[in-house]
Amino acid sequence: EAQVTQNPRYLITVTGKKLTVTCSQNMNHEYMSWYRQDPGLGLRQIYYSMNVEVTDKGDVPEGYKVSRKEKRNFPLILESPSPNQTSLYFCASRNSGTGRKETQYFGPGTRLLVL
Amino acid sequence: DQQVKQNSPSLSVQEGRISILNCDYTNSMFDYFLWYKKYPAEGPTFLISISSIKDKNEDGRFTVFLNKSAKHLSLHIVPSQPGDSAVYFCAARGAYSGAGSYQLTFGKGTKLSVIP
Repeated sequence: EAQVTQNPRYLITVTGKKLTVTCSQNMNHEYMSWYRQDPGLGLRQIYYSMNVEVTDKGDVPEGYKVSRKEKRNFPLILESPSPNQTSLYFCASRNSGTGRKETQYFGPGTRLLVL
Repeated sequence: DQQVKQNSPSLSVQEGRISILNCDYTNSMFDYFLWYKKYPAEGPTFLISISSIKDKNEDGRFTVFLNKSAKHLSLHIVPSQPGDSAVYFCAARGAYSGAGSYQLTFGKGTKLSVIP
C-alpha cells in the first residue's frame, strides 16, 4: 500500500529537549516536505527536499532542521523545542518531473506539545 | 502576505443541498490549483484539481470552477453528504521551474459541516 508514515503520532516534551519526528514514504518519490498546521493559519511549509541531499527552507523554517540521506526518509529535527512549536505536523511526498498532475500525499500527522 | 485566501472558516449545509467553498488568490503566476480534504486525526487527501488553462473540472459530485480574471476558484459539492464533513484546503501551485521544484501554497481551510 502506497503511504507516508510518521512517527510518533503524538508527543509531549519539554522545552529544550531535542526531538526527531520521522517520515518515510514507500512510493519512491523525489520530493518530500514538512508542514505545520495551526488554528487560523492553515498549512505552512517548514522545509522541503527535492531529492537526496537537497533540502531548502519553506515559509517557517526557524527552529527546525531536516536531513535527506535516503530517498524514502525525511526526518524533522527540533534541536531545542519551544512552546511555540506546539502544533500538528504533516509530512508529504510527491513525484518530481514534468507531469503537471502530481499531487502530494500526506502522512497522518504528528501532534506535538511542548511544555 | 497571504497569497491564497479562504475567507470562510466554516460552512454548514443541509444534506442533499449544494456546498460551495470559495478560494481567492493574489499571485497571477499560480498555474495549477488543488483542493484537499482533511478529516480529524488524518492527513489531508487530494480531492480535485484544475489547471489554469481550464475554467471547470468535474469529478462525480465535485466540481471546481476557476475564474482567472477574478483570481477566484470555488469547489461545488452536489449533493452534499454527511461524510463530506471535513476541513477543505485550497492550494495553489507556482510556475514549474525545473527539477520538480515548485511550491504549494495553502489557504487556511474551511470547515464544512453537512447536517443530516
